[in-house]
Amino acid sequence: EPEVTQTPSHQVTQMGQEVILRCVPISNHLYFYWYRQILGQKVEFLVSFYNNEISEKSEIFDDQFSVERPDGSNFTLKIRSTKLEDSAMYFCASPRTGPTANYGYTFGSGTRLTVV
Amino acid sequence: SQQGEEDPQALSIQEGENATMNCSYKTSINNLQWYRQNSGRGLVHLILIRSNEREKHSGRLRVTLDTSKKSSSLLITASRAADTASYFCATDPGNNRLAFGKGNQVVVIP
Repeated sequence: EPEVTQTPSHQVTQMGQEVILRCVPISNHLYFYWYRQILGQKVEFLVSFYNNEISEKSEIFDDQFSVERPDGSNFTLKIRSTKLEDSAMYFCASPRTGPTANYGYTFGSGTRLTVV
Repeated sequence: SQQGEEDPQALSIQEGENATMNCSYKTSINNLQWYRQNSGRGLVHLILIRSNEREKHSGRLRVTLDTSKKSSSLLITASRAADTASYFCATDPGNNRLAFGKGNQVVVIP
């Protein structure tokens, strides 16, 4: 099964600093997603991205967050000024097959973000 | 919202036994999916069941869906130590925005 690759696997940052989390989703897919999981809590939807635009975002995804597809393969999540409560695992996802998620998602292995 | 609440939260079983987990949800869905997560790792898709399906099998996995009760169950038969993980159900209301439950921690004792 095709893979979704995320880098870095772990990032520690000072509060107030900007971080960029990177994802290489499954190629030729048009939908991309970011989710996060605070330690011990539910996996939460952040944002979906379709055809180079945000298609939907959650209430968590405020002005501190942004997503970009800087080139044809990478997909990034930027947090402009990190807060302690941004500490979480961040997952990138692509539909498993085809452009939509009618067959489920493939998730990356995640980036563990620790804000100190 | 309490979409995708799994029950029980933690389960400890002997290798070879079956493990059953339940999930309930509150809104209408297009499909329901189950994922596995090993400690500190990513989510692995296990099985998807559509709203017009009642039961589905994949290897040692059996999932059921009761849309009238808004509930689903995941059965892992003949469990193995490698099945030790957290299991999450996630509902898709049709907008490709998954709502996850809190997860079930399953420990299979060799």
